[in-house]
Amino acid sequence: AQSVTQPDIHITVSEGASLELRCNYSYGATPYLFWYVQSPGQGLQLLLKYFSGDTLVQGIKGFEAEFKRSQSSFNLRKPSVHWSDAAEYFCAVSTTSGTYKYIFGTGTRLKVLA
Amino acid sequence: ETGVTQTPRHLVMGMTNKKSLKCEQHLGHNAMYWYKQSAKKPLELMFVYNFKEQTENNSVPSRFSPECPNSSHLFLHLHTLQPEDSALYLCASRKGASASSGANVLTFGAGSRLTVL
Repeated sequence: AQSVTQPDIHITVSEGASLELRCNYSYGATPYLFWYVQSPGQGLQLLLKYFSGDTLVQGIKGFEAEFKRSQSSFNLRKPSVHWSDAAEYFCAVSTTSGTYKYIFGTGTRLKVLA
Repeated sequence: ETGVTQTPRHLVMGMTNKKSLKCEQHLGHNAMYWYKQSAKKPLELMFVYNFKEQTENNSVPSRFSPECPNSSHLFLHLHTLQPEDSALYLCASRKGASASSGANVLTFGAGSRLTVL
């Protein structure tokens, strides 16, 4: 069955510190992978996506993610976190056949300490 | 106005009320989605519409009734809801609903926060 696991429910980092949010997926084929961010009371904003090609993808707001097929992972990273990055982050995999839909992880809530 | 717009942003209703959530997209997309976001749960896909036709109903209770009059508008009609239906309801759109139509992304609205008393 298709699934996405985000093992960290909450993460706290200090402003300026580096960040890595973990995401593991289970999917029968090579998936399309996404990271979204959600600020309180808002919808989901796309940070970055992986479809094919270079396994290191760059996104908005200084985020990047690396697709590792051997580990079924798509971890999100940022070298230096800003206070405005505090939000909830969702990893998602989309289907590549049939009706296109996303399967989301449960999310990781990021807190940034000043 | 651009993007995906959802109204109302907040809704409080009793269990016997009938209300509707509205979603409108100005992106020229052909597929529209309803997702439910509850605390501590992954986002749950509810319905998918492609060119106004429903292509997915994820075993959603009949007290939720979707309507898609055209590719730009999507409604979620609510009646006889339960308190556990309280959640953030997110609408999203995409250029096509078939996975083979290309690796498009879903664009989400800001959501409608529903509270059922």
